[in-house]
Amino acid sequence: EAGVTQSPTHLIKTRGQQATLRCSPISGHTSVYWYQQALGLGLQFLLWYDEGEERNRGNFPPRFSGRQFPNYSSELNVNALELEDSALYLCASSSLGLAGGPTYNEQFFGPGTRLTVL
Amino acid sequence: LAKTTQPISMDSYEGQEVNITCSHNNIATNDYITWYQQFPSQGPRFIIQGYKTKVTNEVASLFIPADRKSSTLSLPRVSLSDTAVYYCLVGAPNTGNQFYFGTGTSLTVIP
Repeated sequence: EAGVTQSPTHLIKTRGQQATLRCSPISGHTSVYWYQQALGLGLQFLLWYDEGEERNRGNFPPRFSGRQFPNYSSELNVNALELEDSALYLCASSSLGLAGGPTYNEQFFGPGTRLTVL
Repeated sequence: LAKTTQPISMDSYEGQEVNITCSHNNIATNDYITWYQQFPSQGPRFIIQGYKTKVTNEVASLFIPADRKSSTLSLPRVSLSDTAVYYCLVGAPNTGNQFYFGTGTSLTVIP
């Protein structure tokens, strides 16, 4: 079974430009999560998509946005890039959706996209 | 916001048991506690998850006291390949609450 895939592996942009990162979840998974891992800051939750809708959002400005396509793949867009946006962006998928209450939540992570803003 | 606090780093000799504690004072009633392992240049990998008391699987044990304000990941007889960063995650996106990964604990296993 193929794991979560992300593209591109590396991306170099300059300040003010836009970046688009892509993620394909594990087959059968409907939920996609995006995280930012900047040096020394651990994993910061960005966005959660499920069944094509944005379900939850971390403490990031609106210039971080995304979408989920009918095939459950997802795209993360970062507009007006700033130097501090340089980080590893990780995508994860799971088979959980809008189940209520305490739920088992194993997320499967991709290898990430390394974004460098110059 | 269920913020987590972990030690920044730990060292251990091969063959020893390692315990990594995570503090999460503001954990919500419907939050699970999950631990992930991350090697350099890879995405995190699920280790174990629990809600209360003790959970054990083939690689680790998770101890959660009654008040659930902390949790301890226990790795029995560590080997060099266990050198990695370990993250404690409280909550899940599908509870509607914010959830927080934290900065992780860098474990170095020494021969």
